[in-house]
Amino acid sequence: AQTVTQSQPEMSVQDAETVTLSCTYDTSENNYYLFWYKQPPSRQMILVIRQEAYKQQNATENRFSVNFQKAAKSFSLKISDSQLGDTAMYFCAFTLYSGAGSYQLTFGKGTKLSVIP
Amino acid sequence: AAGVIQSPRHLIKEKRETATLKCYPIPRHDTVYWYQQGPGQDPQFLISFYEKMQSDKGSIPDRFSAQQFSDYHSELNMSSLELGDSALYFCASSLGRGRIGELFFGEGSRLTVL
Repeated sequence: AQTVTQSQPEMSVQDAETVTLSCTYDTSENNYYLFWYKQPPSRQMILVIRQEAYKQQNATENRFSVNFQKAAKSFSLKISDSQLGDTAMYFCAFTLYSGAGSYQLTFGKGTKLSVIP
Repeated sequence: AAGVIQSPRHLIKEKRETATLKCYPIPRHDTVYWYQQGPGQDPQFLISFYEKMQSDKGSIPDRFSAQQFSDYHSELNMSSLELGDSALYFCASSLGRGRIGELFFGEGSRLTVL
C-alpha cells in the first residue's frame, strides 16, 4: 500500500515571502504521479501542481514549483511571493499509473498554511 | 465554466436513518469519485466509477452503496447511519482519458448524524 506523509501540520509565512511545504511518500512501484491540492477555507479542493514520476524535471506552475527527489521519495512544494489567497490547507497526493479510466488519489494529512499580511 | 455540483450541501440525519447524496460531474467527464473527509482529516477514498461501471473501491462501509447513472451523475446511498459517518463528502470528476490524477472537486455535502 502507498502512504503519503506530511510532517508539518501548520505553517505560516509573511506575504511576498517564500515557503516550502514538505511531503514524503512510500511506494514500491515505479510508475506513479504526485500532486499538490489546495483546499481554501470552506471551498473545494483544486489542483495546484502535478508531477509525473518518470520525468526528472521538476514541475512549475507560475509561483508554485516542486522539488521532486525520486530516490528519497520526497516531493516538496515551494510557493514564491506568497499571497493572502494562498491561505489554505495543502494536501500532497499520490496515484499509481494503471492504464484504467479512474485514478484514486491517496492524500497526506495536510498542511495548514496561513499567509500573514 | 461548469463545475461539479453536489446536493444537498448540508444534511442532518438521526442515527439509523438513510441519506442519499448526489453528484453531477462536469459535462463530458466520465469518471466520478467519492471521498469522505472527517473533521481535521485527510480525504479518504470511498469508490469510483468510470463510464458508469464501478472502477475502484476504497474504505467504503458495506452500509454504503453508490452508482453512476446513464447521464453520468452519481449517487451515494448511506443506510443505518452512525455518529461516525458525520463528515464532509466530496465528489470529484475527471476525464478518463484526460490528465491522470487531475480531479475536479465539488464543494462537498456536509452530513451530520445526531
